[in-house]
Amino acid sequence: DAGVTQSPTHLIKTRGQQVTLRCSPKSGHDTVSWYQQALGQGPQFIFQYYEEEERQRGNFPDRFSGHQFPNYSSELNVNALLLGDSALYLCASSLFGGQDFYNSPLHFGNGTRLTVT
Amino acid sequence: GEDVEQSLFLSVREGDSSVINCTYTDSSSTYLYWYKQEPGAGLQLLTYIFSNMDMKQDQRLTVLLNKKDKHLSLRIADTQTGDSAIYFCAERSGGYNKLIFGAGTRLAVHP
Repeated sequence: DAGVTQSPTHLIKTRGQQVTLRCSPKSGHDTVSWYQQALGQGPQFIFQYYEEEERQRGNFPDRFSGHQFPNYSSELNVNALLLGDSALYLCASSLFGGQDFYNSPLHFGNGTRLTVT
Repeated sequence: GEDVEQSLFLSVREGDSSVINCTYTDSSSTYLYWYKQEPGAGLQLLTYIFSNMDMKQDQRLTVLLNKKDKHLSLRIADTQTGDSAIYFCAERSGGYNKLIFGAGTRLAVHP
């Protein structure tokens, strides 16, 4: 049973460039969430995708965008990279319950370490 | 607002119990989670508790929830060197399974 897989594992980019990160959810999951984890901090919610639509968004600028494909995999795109975008980007998958009391714990991938120079 | 706070560091002797504490602010949280992160890795789900429960036990792990004080704790019995990692507390905020994480507690286990 494949877990959440992310690619690439490491990436180095220059300020102003654009980057695309990829995620395949755990088998059987239909919802993908993206988190940014800066060094020494906890993960911060970027956004969540279900049925190929962005369902909820955290406090991140429009430079951060995403996409979900019919096979539930997802991409995170960041435009006009800043030094402050350097972080570990984590993808998490779950089942969409649609109700507050439905519990499908997030399963995380190992992340993509992005360094912006 | 939404905020989760944890102490940053805990050091314990191998074989002792570890207790990691967490406070949260969102009284409408439905589920609270504990995740473990080892160096260079993603987050591993350890356990979770529903907000109408006081306690949950899962092998060496015991979660205690005091909803009145918005306080959550994770107890690890018989702590081993393999338990050395960063432990994150997270609350589920509203629908859509959005999690709010604390900054993490680094657990160091020494002989």
